[in-house]
Amino acid sequence: GQNIDQPTEMTATEGAIVQINCTYQTSGFNGLFWYQQHAGEAPTFLSYNVLDGLEEKGRFSSFLSRSKGYSYLLLKELQMKDSASYLCAALDSNYQLIWGAGTKLIIKP
Amino acid sequence: GAVVSQHPSWVICKSGTSVKIECRSLDFQATTMFWYRQFPKQSLMLMATSNEGSKATYEQGVEKDKFLINHASLTLSTLTVTSAHPEDSSFYICSARIPGGGNQPQHFGDGTRLSIL
Repeated sequence: GQNIDQPTEMTATEGAIVQINCTYQTSGFNGLFWYQQHAGEAPTFLSYNVLDGLEEKGRFSSFLSRSKGYSYLLLKELQMKDSASYLCAALDSNYQLIWGAGTKLIIKP
Repeated sequence: GAVVSQHPSWVICKSGTSVKIECRSLDFQATTMFWYRQFPKQSLMLMATSNEGSKATYEQGVEKDKFLINHASLTLSTLTVTSAHPEDSSFYICSARIPGGGNQPQHFGDGTRLSIL
């Protein structure tokens, strides 16, 4: 079956760095997305990786290893507004998005 | 760019009422839109994929007669929850994929919080 695993909850300190991991098992693979979702709001697109390596976008970076079925989202210089759920989603061979359950990130002062 | 508008944001109505939710892509044409439901503290659950000019594709366990989807134009898809009951209360979110292939990101509307009394 198809499956996405990511931690349920993580806690980090304002100003620090946090890495949110995601492992996936899909029927074929056409890329991996990361979305941010604040409580009570809809998800917003953060990043898309289809090739191995690190993609940097400001304070946020996303990494992919296709051979390991693994990705991570790296958040630097954490701010209180980064408190949110982070959703990992993999695109299978039919271009269907398989969603993870999300990682709730709590930022403490 | 890639703005998706969803209306209404909140609906509170009596049991047995039918509720229509609209999803519009404002600055691009979307041949494919998606409808999700999300219960508190749970992840997104795909209900159906809406294709312009054809019937929607529903996920297993989603009643097509209960959740009517119409995608009559390249910028508008609607979800109608027919004869809504308290168990249909949830956060409904639509998304649209920008043109250019299946690996384009989905962009989400702001969601509709539906409460059935």
